Amino acid sequence: KNEVEQSPQNLTAQEGEFITINCSYSVGISALHWLQQHPGGGIVSLFMLSSGKKKHGRLIATINIQEKHSSLHITASHPRDSAVYICAVTNAGKSTFGDGTTLTVKP
Amino acid sequence: DVKVTQSSRYLVKRTGEKVFLECVQDMDHENMFWYRQDPGLGLRLIYFSYDVKMKEKGDIPEGYSVSREKKERFSLILESASTNQTSMYLCASSLVVGGYTFGSGTRLTVV
Repeated sequence: KNEVEQSPQNLTAQEGEFITINCSYSVGISALHWLQQHPGGGIVSLFMLSSGKKKHGRLIATINIQEKHSSLHITASHPRDSAVYICAVTNAGKSTFGDGTTLTVKP
Repeated sequence: DVKVTQSSRYLVKRTGEKVFLECVQDMDHENMFWYRQDPGLGLRLIYFSYDVKMKEKGDIPEGYSVSREKKERFSLILESASTNQTSMYLCASSLVVGGYTFGSGTRLTVV
């Protein structure tokens, strides 16, 4: 069993839909990251969380430390949101990555 | 605009060659990381460094070494490239308590 599990693995949505991607982890962490990787390789760090909730534009990330679970929400999704979303947890300088969720938003 | 710059976007090398992948960041970050990304395996940490001249093995250090002589530069070295090292290599940096900034990646093919 992976230390970081993401669900779903693949997600297809219609433009405008509300999207949720989940991440569960089984190890102790100092922080959790949500990353976005567009086709072609570039990775962008969206959020770093250690507690609570963060919001940036249409993106919202939450974390429940007790339940070892985080969610990434996208409101009013758009085709440009199509990407792979990766959850990563860090502890003592090292990170463990989920396998990623491939999101496709259709117009 | 702050960034992490990887010296090559695409690289083709022959088996047995010594390969240097360079990464430079301009954000004065303490931590720097080298990952490889392979289909179905996600991102795997090769080495990381939390200070100049300091290095720590990641999950898959075999066949690789690193060098960090200056804070802004972290080099990944393949001593003798092999075909199973064909991969996308990603460099990242972070503050001690900050989020990651990734480079755009180097797609290395070993033939």
